Amino acid sequence: NAGVTQTPKFQVLKTGQSMTLQCAQDMNHEYMSWYRQDPGMGLRLIHYSVGAGITDQGEVPNGYNVSRSTTEDFPLRLLSAAPSQTSVYFCASSSTGGWGYTFGSGTRLTVV
Amino acid sequence: GNSVTQMEGPVTLSEEAFLTINCTYTATGYPSLFWYVQYPGEGLQLLLKATKADDKGSNKGFEATYRKETTSFHLEKGSVQVSDSAVYFCALVSWGKLQFGAGTQVVVTP
Repeated sequence: NAGVTQTPKFQVLKTGQSMTLQCAQDMNHEYMSWYRQDPGMGLRLIHYSVGAGITDQGEVPNGYNVSRSTTEDFPLRLLSAAPSQTSVYFCASSSTGGWGYTFGSGTRLTVV
Repeated sequence: GNSVTQMEGPVTLSEEAFLTINCTYTATGYPSLFWYVQYPGEGLQLLLKATKADDKGSNKGFEATYRKETTSFHLEKGSVQVSDSAVYFCALVSWGKLQFGAGTQVVVTP
């Protein structure tokens, strides 16, 4: 019973590098979301998806891309990393949205 | 758009004190409301939820009632423990999109 799995747990990038944060869930959930958590700002929605092939932007989408080719996976791509993207990233999934989301354990990203 | 506003922290309490964290929301339609908790160094856990007006969510001694007339979902606990020290987030879901308040840090001292 893995739930929501995020990899890697920690990552250091240089400015301008690209990378993909992985998120996978084994609960057959339709809804998946990516958040970033910064001190004093709570969790802000980056992108979300209501099903395979369907994605939409959240509050802070700039600099990030997503795709949802399968129900299980929802990767987050950083195209050209910037120090402002230093943050803790959380992925979450839900069966219907209205019954609450299950969160992964997070990825701590540092961009130098 | 939708938004969630919760009281700023930190909130510092002695063990066995009464805890209230205020949360109000702005949303179109009838969102579902949630409280999540984040213990130090961990991810977020769902604490309780309410899906319609006048519903009361409860878990681990915490309670919150969905008040449509005041657009509020205040979190309460009658007697806190040191182990309740954490950051508490109020959140809503509307059309599948989960949005959070800024979070309230609670510190419980022995």
